[in-house]
Amino acid sequence: ETGVTQSPTHLIKTRGQQVTLRCSSQSGHNTVSWYQQALGQGPQFIFQYYREEENGRGNFPPRFSGLQFPNYSSELNVNALELDDSALYLCASTLKLTQVSYGYTFGSGTRLTVV
Amino acid sequence: TQLLEQSPQFLSIQEGENLTVYCNSSSVFSSLQWYRQEPGEGPVLLVTVVTGGEVKKLKRLTFQFGDARKDSSLHITAAQPGDTGLYLCAGGTDSWGKLQFGAGTQVVVTP
Repeated sequence: ETGVTQSPTHLIKTRGQQVTLRCSSQSGHNTVSWYQQALGQGPQFIFQYYREEENGRGNFPPRFSGLQFPNYSSELNVNALELDDSALYLCASTLKLTQVSYGYTFGSGTRLTVV
Repeated sequence: TQLLEQSPQFLSIQEGENLTVYCNSSSVFSSLQWYRQEPGEGPVLLVTVVTGGEVKKLKRLTFQFGDARKDSSLHITAAQPGDTGLYLCAGGTDSWGKLQFGAGTQVVVTP
């Protein structure tokens, strides 16, 4: 069974540019969440996708958007990059059945640097 | 803003010593998870606790969820260098699984 894989592992972008990060969820998982982890901080919830729809969002502006595909893989898009967007972006997947939520499996993350 | 406060922020101990990490909040959580994160990697789930007063043991690690489901602790007995890492607590507040993370406790165990 494969875990959560994220690509790319590292990325350098210029302020104002747009970026797309990708995530393949663990086999059998139907829910994907994205987190932003700034240096020295814990992860901050961005949003969650379940059955291809966003069903929860943290305190992030609309320029952070996402998609989930029929195979449960996901993308995180960030427009108009700002210097403060520099962080480790983590994707986490889980199997959600009705009201039950199991533990999350995290990917190794994408390190985004905005210059 | 971190709703979960972890203490201490940093802990350096010798191999064989015991340590306790605390996770406190003014909010009630439906579940609380502990993760360990190593440099360049994502967090790895250690345990999930859901019942107030619950105690779970995982080899040398003991996890406790407070009676009011607002706080938790992680105790490591006879720490080993392989226990080195960033320990994160995360609280769940709804059935959809959004997690609120603490800032983490960096644990260093030296031989």
